[in-house]
Amino acid sequence: GQQVMQIPQYQHVQEGEDFTTYCNSSTTLSNIQWYKQRPGGHPVFLIQLVKSGEVKKQKRLTFQFGEAKKNSSLHITATQTTDVGTYFCASIGAGTALIFGKGTTLSVSS
Amino acid sequence: SQTIHQWPATLVQPVGSPLSLECTVEGTSNPNLYWYRQAAGRGLQLLFYSVGIGQISSEVPQNLSASRPQDRQFILSSKKLLLSDSGFYLCAWSQLGYEQYFGPGTRLTVT
Repeated sequence: GQQVMQIPQYQHVQEGEDFTTYCNSSTTLSNIQWYKQRPGGHPVFLIQLVKSGEVKKQKRLTFQFGEAKKNSSLHITATQTTDVGTYFCASIGAGTALIFGKGTTLSVSS
Repeated sequence: SQTIHQWPATLVQPVGSPLSLECTVEGTSNPNLYWYRQAAGRGLQLLFYSVGIGQISSEVPQNLSASRPQDRQFILSSKKLLLSDSGFYLCAWSQLGYEQYFGPGTRLTVT
């Protein structure tokens, strides 16, 4: 079945450094969604990308959807300690269910 | 505005005991509802989803079952818990398959 693979699994950065997580699929995706889960919390929706080559920004976060709609990335510029958490990508699978990647856990040291 | 509730927040249960976790959504009608499990430090595993009352789709055959007795109520159950059932259980809702909104979750420890 459809799968989305995320890399890296873990990433540690110094505060102020940039961070990128990648999401890849062997099949064409109808859309891609990104979620953030703070330690001890629940996933929170960040954004949805639908169009080929789409780029969206939220302050220091930049989201991209590949031209072939098989990959996506989330880039954080100048990380802060508030960026700590696990970032998941997800795409629509069978029916309305989302297929989640395994997530990238970001830690930031000040 | 819409809100989603889950209870209890934490639960410690012995092996072989039954389980009932409840999730309710307010402020929306006919939502799609989902149950996920997250093992410590791991990703989200979809367990069940429902597009309407009495309509349940199971993603992973296991020791759990789900029911949707009312439009905005989703229940996760087990007759006999296993150690491997421990984890963080998350309920979520969405409209028309768009973004999902998660509840605060239930941390279940089976001892």
